[in-house]
Amino acid sequence: GENVEQHPSTLSVQEGDSAVIKCTYSDSASNYFPWYKQELGKRPQLIIDIRSNVGEKKDQRIAVTLNKTAKHFSLHITETQPEDSAVYFCAASKGSGAGSYQLTFGKGTKLSVIP
Amino acid sequence: GAVVSQHPSRVICKSGTSVKIECRSLDFQATTMFWYRQFPKQSLMLMATSNEGSKATYEQGVEKDKFLINHASLTLSTLTVTSAHPEDSSFYICSATNRGGGSLHFGNGTRLTVT
Repeated sequence: GENVEQHPSTLSVQEGDSAVIKCTYSDSASNYFPWYKQELGKRPQLIIDIRSNVGEKKDQRIAVTLNKTAKHFSLHITETQPEDSAVYFCAASKGSGAGSYQLTFGKGTKLSVIP
Repeated sequence: GAVVSQHPSRVICKSGTSVKIECRSLDFQATTMFWYRQFPKQSLMLMATSNEGSKATYEQGVEKDKFLINHASLTLSTLTVTSAHPEDSSFYICSATNRGGGSLHFGNGTRLTVT
């Protein structure tokens, strides 16, 4: 099955700096890669996603890049703010329709933004 | 926006008893629901995929006789943890999507503690 590796496990940055989280996946058939932000004890919230027919996607301070050949994708957060502090999970899946949401998650990155 | 309601949010039960967790889509028809388990400081692990009107598909290593999933209607899926043991203590989260694989929506999760 799919295996998703996520690095780093913890990341501390100064407010205003950028944060980068990287993930690799094993199944070349995977075609959907969402990123979730999860605050302690709460539901994961989708912050950005990318499909395999796109190499990069940006939404304000957040961007995701995908390298299909190398099977890795990354989350970039610029101008970090204290409220960005949370655990971030990458995920991968394949298929279409509802089946594309059988997600395999990375182990998570605890991001701390220091004021 | 689309809402998934999960109930209860917290439950404490004694070892050997069964616990039922409900996941409801409040404003859309959830043809597919997913159940995840998350241990402290760990990632979300997909337990099973539930399609309305059919038997759930369980991930490898998840005991289908212990984690009973029922998805009898387009708005409700239930997960019953039977004969619960302390090692079943975890955060259980459901997610749902509609026909054709529209956006994925997570419930708020259920914190299960087995004493």
